[in-house]
Amino acid sequence: AQSVTQLGSHVSVSEGALVLLRCNYSSSVPPYLFWYVQYPNQGLQLLLKYTTGATLVKGINGFEAEFKKSETSFHLTKPSAHMSDAAEYFCAVLSGGYQKVTFGTGTKLQVIP
Amino acid sequence: GAGVSQSPSNKVTEKGKDVELRCDPISGHTALYWYRQSLGQGLEFLIYFQGNSAPDKSGLPSDRFSAERTGGSVSTLTIQRTQQEDSAVYLCASSARDRGNYNEQFFGPGTRLTVL
Repeated sequence: AQSVTQLGSHVSVSEGALVLLRCNYSSSVPPYLFWYVQYPNQGLQLLLKYTTGATLVKGINGFEAEFKKSETSFHLTKPSAHMSDAAEYFCAVLSGGYQKVTFGTGTKLQVIP
Repeated sequence: GAGVSQSPSNKVTEKGKDVELRCDPISGHTALYWYRQSLGQGLEFLIYFQGNSAPDKSGLPSDRFSAERTGGSVSTLTIQRTQQEDSAVYLCASSARDRGNYNEQFFGPGTRLTVL
């Protein structure tokens, strides 16, 4: 079985500050890991993904995430928050033979001017 | 090209009525997924189609929920005798194939269902 835990349903940061959204996963096999972003009244958009290879993954809009097997973590970071980053972020894991993705409960990011 | 589309965008219905939600995947995508997004509960997997068949229906919450896909394209999610707890945003996603390397799932904008 696979699962995802996102710590903090709401995170607030000041514009220009570091963004850190936490994600821990549970998987019995090597996982594929994802971060999705959802802007208000829109569907989900893939930010970045880890499948194999380099553990530091860069995505769109300046976001990156690092796969740490020893910590079973895949935290999302961005050095400097922009107002446009305000959205809900979902961590997700895929493992096993087919593409059923398990999502975390989401973290709403608020950026304060 | 066009992305995943869903209709209607909003649906308000009375308890006990049946509703149909439609998903048009990206052309050529063989895999199609339905998810439910409830307030504070993240995304809940409902059902997965490969072509017209559904190898995984494990997420359907009750026998009031059913889905079909025709022609390997359009899918319809039907909820019979709706209950207030069915109120949620229903998201559809499609991807190019389901084997081998992961293929990104592209999401539609969702249908917001409100059961009064």
